[in-house]
Amino acid sequence: DAGVTQSPTHLIKTRGQQVTLRCSPKSGHDTVSWYQQALGQGPQFIFQYYEEEERQRGNFPDRFSGHQFPNYSSELNVNALLLGDSALYLCASSLEASGAIYNEQFFGPGTRLTVL
Amino acid sequence: AQSVTQLDSQVPVFEEAPVELRCNYSSSVSVYLFWYVQYPNQGLQLLLKYLSGSTLVKGINGFEAEFNKSQTSFHLRKPSVHISDTAEYFCAVSDKASGGYNKLIFGAGTRLAVHP
Repeated sequence: DAGVTQSPTHLIKTRGQQVTLRCSPKSGHDTVSWYQQALGQGPQFIFQYYEEEERQRGNFPDRFSGHQFPNYSSELNVNALLLGDSALYLCASSLEASGAIYNEQFFGPGTRLTVL
Repeated sequence: AQSVTQLDSQVPVFEEAPVELRCNYSSSVSVYLFWYVQYPNQGLQLLLKYLSGSTLVKGINGFEAEFNKSQTSFHLRKPSVHISDTAEYFCAVSDKASGGYNKLIFGAGTRLAVHP
């Protein structure tokens, strides 16, 4: 059973460019969340997708956008890259199950983005 | 808004010694609490969680944590650590008031370094 996978593993971009990161959720999961982890810090919630809609968003500018496809995979897009966008981007998937008080999130290995 | 404070950025300890990693969260009506571990170049792995019920929670790899509502703390403990426990540990909270959408708020992390 494949866990959460992310691609690419590493990426180098220059300021002003645009980047797309990809995430495939754990088999059977339908919800995808994205987090940014800057060096030496804890992950920060960017947004969450369910049923192809963004249903919750953290404190990130509109340069950060996303998409969820019918097969539940997801993309994170960042426009007009800044040096401060350099970070590890983590994807987490979960299953929206009625009646559950909490749906455990399973994390992928992340994509390391370096902006020069 | 919820916040999480991990009181120690680094904790050095000798192998087979006990360890405690401290975590405090800002008060809320009700929260879910988590501890995650991150090994180098990997994503996050759930160690344990508190959702309700017994305040003493047991997790994987011999770790346990105690939820203390009056002190708003959720400290992680292990009676005897191994070299393989060397990693970054993150405390996280999910606010039930967020609509049950499982947005995780993380602390800055504690680096546990186990020495022989």
